[in-house]
Amino acid sequence: DSGVTQTPKHLITATGQRVTLRCSPRSGDLSVYWYQQSLDQGLQFLIQYYNGEERAKGNILERFSAQQFPDLHSELNLSSLELGDSALYFCASSAGTDYNEQFFGPGTRLTVL
Amino acid sequence: AQSVSQHNHHVILSEAASLELGCNYSYGGTVNLFWYVQYPGQHLQLLLKYFSGDPLVKGIKGFEAEFIKSKFSFNLRKPSVQWSDTAEYFCAVNSNFGNEKLTFGTGTRLTIIP
Repeated sequence: DSGVTQTPKHLITATGQRVTLRCSPRSGDLSVYWYQQSLDQGLQFLIQYYNGEERAKGNILERFSAQQFPDLHSELNLSSLELGDSALYFCASSAGTDYNEQFFGPGTRLTVL
Repeated sequence: AQSVSQHNHHVILSEAASLELGCNYSYGGTVNLFWYVQYPGQHLQLLLKYFSGDPLVKGIKGFEAEFIKSKFSFNLRKPSVQWSDTAEYFCAVNSNFGNEKLTFGTGTRLTIIP
């Protein structure tokens, strides 16, 4: 158990819908990262937050957005869902200094039908 | 931009065989290097990491990796694999400045035959 929690574990929805994925970082970690794992794209970085502020953006679609709340949990919002958005979405957290490993949560498996 | 190459896509070994998985990275600056393992249906777990110092790094479950700066490589090794090592292995890199995102390789699927 990494100490990073994600809910829900599985999500099945239809095209065009909107979903919210939730992540709680390890206690004391200030940085939260979101990654997408799919068969065709592999593991790709989406977005990073540090202590409530957006820190870096990767290959995140405009239909996707995220935020980190004052209690440091983070939510990833996916809207106008397409079949190709089906993937495993991982959240990771780190302490936020230069020499840190990232600890990954169990992931949310999103299936868009 | 950073990139990571894992040339072995699927490796099949018998138990007790020795393992070496290749990882090469491309990045102009100083990097942190990681190997993560993903067991079937599970999340990513850190096997080992290199930040600085001794280029031979020992991790959990008997794994080790060697950072060779001149070759931009960070290969993962284990002298004797077990059936329970069946998993997907990911090499990852980030800059050692600024608390950056990880860039992952495409992964190597390791299958151990009992």
